[in-house]
Amino acid sequence: SQQGEEDPQALSIQEGENATMNCSYKTSINNLQWYRQNSGRGLVHLILIRSNEREKHSGRLRVTLDTSKKSSSLLITASRAADTASYFCATDERGAGSNYKLTFGKGTLLTVNP
Amino acid sequence: GAGVSQTPSNKVTEKGKYVELRCDPISGHTALYWYRQSLGQGPEFLIYFQGTGAADDSGLPNDRFFAVRPEGSVSTLKIQRTERGDSAVYLCASSKDYPPGELFFGEGSRLTVL
Repeated sequence: SQQGEEDPQALSIQEGENATMNCSYKTSINNLQWYRQNSGRGLVHLILIRSNEREKHSGRLRVTLDTSKKSSSLLITASRAADTASYFCATDERGAGSNYKLTFGKGTLLTVNP
Repeated sequence: GAGVSQTPSNKVTEKGKYVELRCDPISGHTALYWYRQSLGQGPEFLIYFQGTGAADDSGLPNDRFFAVRPEGSVSTLKIQRTERGDSAVYLCASSKDYPPGELFFGEGSRLTVL
């Protein structure tokens, strides 16, 4: 099962523009993370935001979290062609035996055109 | 090692054969995850180890799939009587945090069942 759901599924923008991706989830969480995946490669961690945080920045990345709406957004400012990748949100879902597991959404495919 | 290592990177097998996929996590990381990713989809949770024990194996699709981590380090995902539907990229990740914080992913093992 997949906890998070990204929106849009695909996004195409011009270099220099901002890109916004959204994630919705279903259950309560401890934290929410965003990952990036270049085609045919493993996932790379971008940023983690805890449930008691509302906004976090890292370089050109800005993440917001609204736990009342169970949603998060990832903003990439001043995009570059090298930002072209798939972006996934991941949440820690309480699974069997009260253990937490990290589950991923289906992702947003971002294409930044030079 | 410096990162999570997965072998083989590519495996082509025939329907009905047995397959083993290996994951060598980052030294000192107690948590180890296996995910499966099909084309255009997000990583699908399979199983999670905390130390030597499987903390949550609820994502294993059926009893043809089994994973072990006998010494709390290297893990092997075993698939019996492979089917064409098992074709996917199998991703391994490790983490030093619990509840799960940042996951460090390997490059994956691409399994093709003919």
